[in-house]
Amino acid sequence: GNSVTQMEGPVTLSEEAFLTINCTYTATGYPSLFWYVQYPGEGLQLLLKATKADDKGSNKGFEATYRKETTSFHLEKGSVQVSDSAVYFCALSDLGRALTFGSGTRLQVQP
Amino acid sequence: DSGVTQTPKHLITATGQRVTLRCSPRSGDLSVYWYQQSLDQGLQFLIQYYNGEERAKGNILERFSAQQFPDLHSELNLSSLELGDSALYFCASSVGGGGNTGELFFGEGSRLTVL
Repeated sequence: GNSVTQMEGPVTLSEEAFLTINCTYTATGYPSLFWYVQYPGEGLQLLLKATKADDKGSNKGFEATYRKETTSFHLEKGSVQVSDSAVYFCALSDLGRALTFGSGTRLQVQP
Repeated sequence: DSGVTQTPKHLITATGQRVTLRCSPRSGDLSVYWYQQSLDQGLQFLIQYYNGEERAKGNILERFSAQQFPDLHSELNLSSLELGDSALYFCASSVGGGGNTGELFFGEGSRLTVL
């Protein structure tokens, strides 16, 4: 079946540091890939997505590239802010099925 | 504000009891999804409804059931509750149901505590 594996957290960074959160997936078809973010006390929000190989999703300074050869969709940001502190979820949607989420990675950014 | 409304926000109950969680999707969205978020299991897909019909089923226990009403709101019923059912239950909605673009809009969740 489909699955998503994310790096364990928490990830603790200083403000303006470079962020990478690794995500790899297993799917039977050609899934669409997503990053969702959950701020404290809130529901999940779509951060970015990519629907086919080599697509790059980007939003609010975050980027992720759909790498079919390595089945990966790593999230990156060049300079994190305290306001980026949240839990980040990688997810996939295959053949129109409901989203399969990774376990989430907590990011803590210190001033 | 995602436009998805969930009630209640918090619920504390005892083992063996039954509770109902309610979700109102975004205006115009036909699909409703239920997810369970617990510390040890992560975010688990439970069930999806599209325009009143069950569309997909995930890791939903037999003690749990759901339905979507003609006005498109949905209810998740949890019965014979166990300590392990304590979790955050999210509802999400989307426009379509057949081809999922992945754009799900989540409510703030209902936190269930079973004592």
